[in-house]
This record gives sequence, structure tokens and C-alpha cells, in this order.
Amino acid sequence: GQSLEQPSEVTAVEGAIVQINCTYQTSGFYGLSWYQQHDGGAPTFLSYNALDGLEETGRFSSFLSRSDSYGYLLLQELQMKDSASYFCAVADNYGQNFVFGPGTRLSVLP
Amino acid sequence: DAGITQSPRHKVTETGTPVTLRCHQTENHRYMYWYRQDPGHGLRLIHYSYGVKDTDKGEVSDGYSVSRSKTEDFLLTLESATSSQTSVYFCAISDHPSDNYGYTFGSGTRLTVV
Repeated sequence: GQSLEQPSEVTAVEGAIVQINCTYQTSGFYGLSWYQQHDGGAPTFLSYNALDGLEETGRFSSFLSRSDSYGYLLLQELQMKDSASYFCAVADNYGQNFVFGPGTRLSVLP
Repeated sequence: DAGITQSPRHKVTETGTPVTLRCHQTENHRYMYWYRQDPGHGLRLIHYSYGVKDTDKGEVSDGYSVSRSKTEDFLLTLESATSSQTSVYFCAISDHPSDNYGYTFGSGTRLTVV
């Protein structure tokens, strides 16, 4: 089976940089994804890492280290609209489906 | 066009009654999923489908059944609803899960079992 750990809450101020960590235990690894979910909304896909290293998409970057079973989501130039919950997810079952972490609630303060 | 729609958006039902939630997609994606979301648990997989009439169980499948008779529709049925099934249910679609596009989620169905 799979298990994932994330911090439950993170707080930062507008314009700052924040890093949300994710550690996982898995019987087989096929990739790590990140999703954003605003209150009352649906999760939306942010990024996917299958290989070690950093993937950059605008203000958001995602990092993966398979040897450490660890990844993080880096959010730069924080904006109020970034206040949301962020979920990491690892691919299971030969990549057919994803198991999600418990989520990290990010609060961006003015 | 949203590409994926769930119905109903909200439902209140009584314990012991059957309930069916519908997920409809217009993207012709192969994979469809049902997740439930509860505070402190993130999203947990109930069932998923990898093709018409091809389904498999997820980690919290007890008390739920699914059917996929055509590519665009994936139905989730609670055979006899219980209070523990009060939750927000999300459907998701993917052409292939392990690609750079991830899942696309529907807007969710908030189900309350009283």
C-alpha cells in the first residue's frame, strides 16, 4: 500500500516563498503529483514528477527525490489567491490511479 | 463545456435508501474515478474504471458499487446509505493517469445521509 505525509497547515505572507513537503512510502513508485483545492471547489492539477529533479511552471515548482521518497511544492511570489489546500499524490497500481496525501492548508496573509 | 459533470450537486437521503451518483464526461478519456473527501483524510479512492465494463476497487470500496456501460458515464451506487457515507464525492477523469496532465475533477456531489 501507499502512505503519504504532509504538514497540516502552513502560513506565509504575500510575496514570500513557501515550500510544502511530502514524504511517501510506497510498494511501487510511478510518479508524484500536486493538486490545489480552494474551499468549496474541486482539486485542480498543478504538476507531475516522474523523475528526480525540479519542474517549474510559472510561480510554482515541484521537486522529487526518489531515493529519499520525498518531494516538495514550491510557491513563489505568494498571492492571496494561493490560499488553498495542496495535496500530493503518488501513482499506484502500475500508474493507473493515485493515492492522495491528507493535504496542507496554506494561508497567505497580507 | 466543462468536460466533466457530476449530478446531483447536493443530495440529502435517509439511512437505508439506495443512492446513485452520476459522472458524465465529454473528453472520451479512458479512465474514470470516484473519490470521497472527508476532513483529515484527503481524497480516498472508492472505485475506478479503465474502460467500458472494466472496473476495480479502491481503498474504501465497501458499501459502494459502480457501473460503466459507456465511455462517457460512470455511476456510483450506495446500495443502502449509512451516516458514515456522508461525504463529498468527486469524480475524476484521465486519458492516462501517469502523464503530465493528471486528473480532471468534477465539481463534486455533497451527500448527506440522515
